[in-house]
Amino acid sequence: AQSVAQPEDQVNVAEGNPLTVKCTYSVSGNPYLFWYVQYPNRGLQFLLKYITGDNLVKGSYGFEAEFNKSQTSFHLKKPSALVSDSALYLCAVRETGTALIFGKGTTLSVSS
Amino acid sequence: EADIYQTPRYLVIGTGKKITLECSQTMGHDKMYWYQQDPGMELHLIHYSYGVNSTEKGDLSSESTVSRIRTEHFPLTLESARPSHTSQYLCASSATVNTEAFFGQGTRLTVV
Repeated sequence: AQSVAQPEDQVNVAEGNPLTVKCTYSVSGNPYLFWYVQYPNRGLQFLLKYITGDNLVKGSYGFEAEFNKSQTSFHLKKPSALVSDSALYLCAVRETGTALIFGKGTTLSVSS
Repeated sequence: EADIYQTPRYLVIGTGKKITLECSQTMGHDKMYWYQQDPGMELHLIHYSYGVNSTEKGDLSSESTVSRIRTEHFPLTLESARPSHTSQYLCASSATVNTEAFFGQGTRLTVV
């Protein structure tokens, strides 16, 4: 069965510093990988996805993620964090023909 | 902003009441999903539909039921609400099973 792990409940960074939010996955076939962001009392907003092709995927708001097949990881990154990036970040995986399965999320806190 | 709408946004209801959470999308998506999210916990898939008259239960056992009579509408019903049903319910849709899902803003349900 497919699964997603986000090993950090919380990540704290200072504004202007680079940030990384970690995600590892387990699927039996080729993975489709997604990152979403959730602000308080809001639904989920799509950030970026990996389906196939270039391992470095660029998405919304300056975020990017790197797909690493050997390490089964899909870490989310941003070169310079903003206070407004503070939110809950959720990684999700889908095998062909199935619904999205989410990790438990990582709360990002960016301090000024 | 994605064109997927959930009503109500907030609902407080007494034990034993029947409730229906509404979800509508105007994107013409065939695939629709219901997720349940408790605070600080991951999203759990409780129902999904791949088209009209097609519904399936998700990974998390739920006492709720769904229907899909029209492409744009995917309501979720609880016949007899209990305090254990207190949670946030998120509806989503996608064009295909391999593309990103768009989420509504959620319904926060409290059963007292």
